[in-house]
Amino acid sequence: AQSVAQPEDQVNVAEGNPLTVKCTYSVSGNPYLFWYVQYPNRGLQFLLKYITGDNLVKGSYGFEAEFNKSQTSFHLKKPSALVSDSALYFCAVIPNRGSYIPTFGRGTSLIVHP
Amino acid sequence: DGGITQSPKYLFRKEGQNVTLSCEQNLNHDAMYWYRQDPGQGLRLIYYSQIVNDFQKGDIAEGYSVSREKKESFPLTVTSAQKNPTAFYLCASSIWQGMNTEAFFGQGTRLTVV
Repeated sequence: AQSVAQPEDQVNVAEGNPLTVKCTYSVSGNPYLFWYVQYPNRGLQFLLKYITGDNLVKGSYGFEAEFNKSQTSFHLKKPSALVSDSALYFCAVIPNRGSYIPTFGRGTSLIVHP
Repeated sequence: DGGITQSPKYLFRKEGQNVTLSCEQNLNHDAMYWYRQDPGQGLRLIYYSQIVNDFQKGDIAEGYSVSREKKESFPLTVTSAQKNPTAFYLCASSIWQGMNTEAFFGQGTRLTVV
């Protein structure tokens, strides 16, 4: 069965500094990987995805993520954090074989301090 | 304007009462999902539907029921058999297969037992 791990419940970063939110996955084959963001009392919004090709993918709001097959990781990054980036971030995986149901990580709360 | 709409935003349920959460999408997506979100537990899959008139149980289906009579609609009923229904409920839709399988989410319904 597939699984997604987000090892940090919370990440704190100062505004203007680079940020990284970690995600590792366990699934056979070549999965599709996603990042979503959730603001308080709202639904999730899609940020970016990795399907195939270049390991560095760019998404909305200046976010990017790096796919590392050997480490089975898909970390979310941003070169310069904004206070408005403070939110809950979810990593998700679809196995791309047999089942197309997304499995989500537990979420990481990103707090950007002014 | 394409999207996915959940209603109501807030819902209060008395003990022993069934309540129904609405989810409507106009994205022409075949797949629809219901997730439950509790603090620190991420998103847990309740039910999903790949196609009209078909749906499958997810990881925590006990105490819930769904129907999929129309492509656009996927209502969730929280029955009196669900002993701890207080949570944030999220509906999502997506294309079932292919490279554009990112999920689109509604704004959520917060259910509280009173």
